[in-house]
Amino acid sequence: RKEVEQDPGPFNVPEGATVAFNCTYSNSASQSFFWYRQDCRKEPKLLMSVYSSGNEDGRFTAQLNRASQYISLLIRDSKLSDSATYLCVVRNFNKFYFGSGTKLNVKP
Amino acid sequence: NAGVTQTPKFRVLKTGQSMTLLCAQDMNHEYMYWYRQDPGMGLRLIHYSVGEGTTAKGEVPDGYNVSRLKKQNFLLGLESAAPSQTSVYFCASSYPGSTVGQGTNTEAFFGQGTRLTVV
Repeated sequence: RKEVEQDPGPFNVPEGATVAFNCTYSNSASQSFFWYRQDCRKEPKLLMSVYSSGNEDGRFTAQLNRASQYISLLIRDSKLSDSATYLCVVRNFNKFYFGSGTKLNVKP
Repeated sequence: NAGVTQTPKFRVLKTGQSMTLLCAQDMNHEYMYWYRQDPGMGLRLIHYSVGEGTTAKGEVPDGYNVSRLKKQNFLLGLESAAPSQTSVYFCASSYPGSTVGQGTNTEAFFGQGTRLTVV
């Protein structure tokens, strides 16, 4: 079983739409959780960390459910510039574990 | 403040040739990592280091060696390149993770990547 599992998509949405991504992780001892964004042929970049109480950064909201080992990312009012692959990332002590990514295409 | 820098950015090797990828970070991070990314596979850990002079194997270490002689540098070596090593390689660095609850500043920072083709 993979450490982190995500729906690969693609999610094709119109501008202004709200879209939600989910991922699950297998190790209940994991300590830190993140969403990264990766543009085509570029390095992953941190979008936001995910905290147990949930957190928001502008149009982006992340939630963590430790009991279900489930992480989510909600993007409101999608922009063309949001088109990218979103990676769910879990840290357990020394190592980071990456989901395969969910591809988002925002259309005009 | 350059962050994490990888060299080279592109390389084409012939089967059997050797090469070294260099990763340098200026954030005083203890931990450094080498990953490879292949289509549909996500990022897979090759080797990592939790401090100067230490290295450890990751998920896919075969065919690679690493060295961490200085805290700011982490080298990835391919002794005899094979076509299966054609990939995009990313270096990353981070502070140690918190062992109690959720820590801040525990994310990974990535270099720009190295596109390696082995023919």
